[in-house]
Amino acid sequence: AQSVTQLGSHVSVSEGALVLLRCNYSSSVPPYLFWYVQYPNQGLQLLLKYTSAATLVKGINGFEAEFKKSETSFHLTKPSAHMSDAAEYFCAVSDLRAGGTSYGKLTFGQGTILTVHP
Amino acid sequence: GAGVSQTPSNKVTEKGKYVELRCDPISGHTALYWYRQSLGQGPEFLIYFQGTGAADDSGLPNDRFFAVRPEGSVSTLKIQRTERGDSAVYLCASSLRAGGLMNEQFFGPGTRLTVL
Repeated sequence: AQSVTQLGSHVSVSEGALVLLRCNYSSSVPPYLFWYVQYPNQGLQLLLKYTSAATLVKGINGFEAEFKKSETSFHLTKPSAHMSDAAEYFCAVSDLRAGGTSYGKLTFGQGTILTVHP
Repeated sequence: GAGVSQTPSNKVTEKGKYVELRCDPISGHTALYWYRQSLGQGPEFLIYFQGTGAADDSGLPNDRFFAVRPEGSVSTLKIQRTERGDSAVYLCASSLRAGGLMNEQFFGPGTRLTVL
């Protein structure tokens, strides 16, 4: 069964600093990988997704993530943090079937709360 | 267009009572998912529908939990004999179809269930 581990339940950065949120996955086959963001009192919003087309994936709001099969990682980065980036971030995995289509369900990590200081 | 909507936004009930949580997916989305998010945790999969049928209900914790989607649109998650451990935010998501490159799931704001 697939699983996702997010290292660090809380990350704090200064405004303008690099954001790095870590995600490692465990999957029996190469998965689809996702990062979602959850702002207070709002639903989860997709930031970006990896579906085997390119290992470096660019998402919304200046975020990007790199799929590294050798490290089973999909870390999320942003060169310069903004106050509006403060939220909770979730990494998620969807296993692929043998034919290449993904299962419907997502397995999420426990989340990382990002705090941005002025 | 409208996103995924869930009602009620908050539900407080007493232990042992029955509750129903409703999800209205994005129009035209054939796949619908239910997740449960406990405090401090990531969402946990419960069940998903492709059309009217439950394609995978492996995440339902026990037989007190049941979900339906009779017409392939609105879904209702039903919890019988609620327990305090059922307290959580119940999230609904929909996608154009389940699986494949187009399976981006759009989430609703959730229903916060509190069992006293």
